[in-house]
Amino acid sequence: SQQGEEDPQALSIQEGENATMNCSYKTSINNLQWYRQNSGRGLVHLILIRSNEREKHSGRLRVTLDTSKKSSSLLITASRAADTASYFCAVRRGYGNNRLAFGKGNQVVVIP
Amino acid sequence: SQTIHQWPATLVQPVGSPLSLECTVEGTSNPNLYWYRQAAGRGLQLLFYSVGIGQISSEVPQNLSASRPQDRQFILSSKKLLLSDSGFYLCAWAGPGGEPQHFGDGTRLSIL
Repeated sequence: SQQGEEDPQALSIQEGENATMNCSYKTSINNLQWYRQNSGRGLVHLILIRSNEREKHSGRLRVTLDTSKKSSSLLITASRAADTASYFCAVRRGYGNNRLAFGKGNQVVVIP
Repeated sequence: SQTIHQWPATLVQPVGSPLSLECTVEGTSNPNLYWYRQAAGRGLQLLFYSVGIGQISSEVPQNLSASRPQDRQFILSSKKLLLSDSGFYLCAWAGPGGEPQHFGDGTRLSIL
């Protein structure tokens, strides 16, 4: 079944640097979403980008979507220690499909 | 505002014992409801989802079952737990459009 796949798996950066994560998927999608998970907690929705969109911004987050390459990237600018978390991409396959397929996640550690 | 409650936060159970995890949503009606399992360092595996009372879709064959006795109540059950049922169980809800999904804080289930 289709599933988002993030790369790289783990990222360690200094506070103030930018963090970039990538996600690839295998078949056509309706939209792609990014979620964040702090250790031992539930996931929190960050941003959604639809298949007809190429770029979206929300605060310090920038998401791009390339449907020809079936890939997306999440950029966190000017990272903070509080951004330390795991980040997951999830794809929704089609209209009327209420399910999401999640990737394995990227662990990001921001060093103060 | 909408909230989701999931309990217990932590559970230790012996092999062969029954299981009941409960999830309730407040502040919305007719939500889509989801149960996921997350193994350590892995992504989320969708176990069950429901679009209405008594309507349950199972994603993978397993030792677990789900029920939705009320509009905003979703229960995950097992008659006899296996060691492989250990994991972090997450409940989520979404509006009729199916996104974004809002997650509870999860139940850490350990089977001994």
